[in-house]
Amino acid sequence: GQSLEQPSEVTAVEGAIVQINCTYQTSGFYGLSWYQQHDGGAPTFLSYNALDGLEETGRFSSFLSRSDSYGYLLLQELQMKDSASYFCAVQRRRAGSYQLTFGKGTKLSVIP
Amino acid sequence: EAGVVQSPRYKIIEKKQPVAFWCNPISGHNTLYWYLQNLGQGPELLIRYENEEAVDDSQLPKDRFSAERLKGVDSTLKIQPAELGDSAVYLCASSLAGGSSYNEQFFGPGTRLTVL
Repeated sequence: GQSLEQPSEVTAVEGAIVQINCTYQTSGFYGLSWYQQHDGGAPTFLSYNALDGLEETGRFSSFLSRSDSYGYLLLQELQMKDSASYFCAVQRRRAGSYQLTFGKGTKLSVIP
Repeated sequence: EAGVVQSPRYKIIEKKQPVAFWCNPISGHNTLYWYLQNLGQGPELLIRYENEEAVDDSQLPKDRFSAERLKGVDSTLKIQPAELGDSAVYLCASSLAGGSSYNEQFFGPGTRLTVL
């Protein structure tokens, strides 16, 4: 089987830095993605890691350690608009193609 | 460029009634996905199409759910008959090609279904 674990809720102060962790167990692992979803909105892509290390995109960074089956999303200079749910998703190879499986999500609340 | 379009945005039906959702993916995206999202959960894949072919429908409850993508563009997901437990948000997503190493998935706003 497969599983993804991420905290259900995180609260952080505006302007601060927050890290959302994700651990996974799956066969055929290929990469780890992160998606953001505001309440009532569509999930939107943030980042993707296929190799170990850190990927930086503006205020958001994502890290992957394949040997530890672990990744995280780092949000810097938090803004109120960053309040949303964040999903890690594993990409795995299945039946000759690639499948994305989402975690349950972490609800981030940014407070003044 | 227009994003993924879904309709209706909201639907309320009585149990045992049929319901259908429509999705128009981003132009040029060969791969189309239907996901189900329960409150407080992540999206769960129901079916994936490569052009008009359903290449992964292992999670689709085929006794009551069906889907089609006749011309390899827009798609319809149907539930017949609906049950109380089907209340959820149904998301459609598209990407350039699911068979490639990685392609970002673009999601529509979803259809929120309430079964009474």
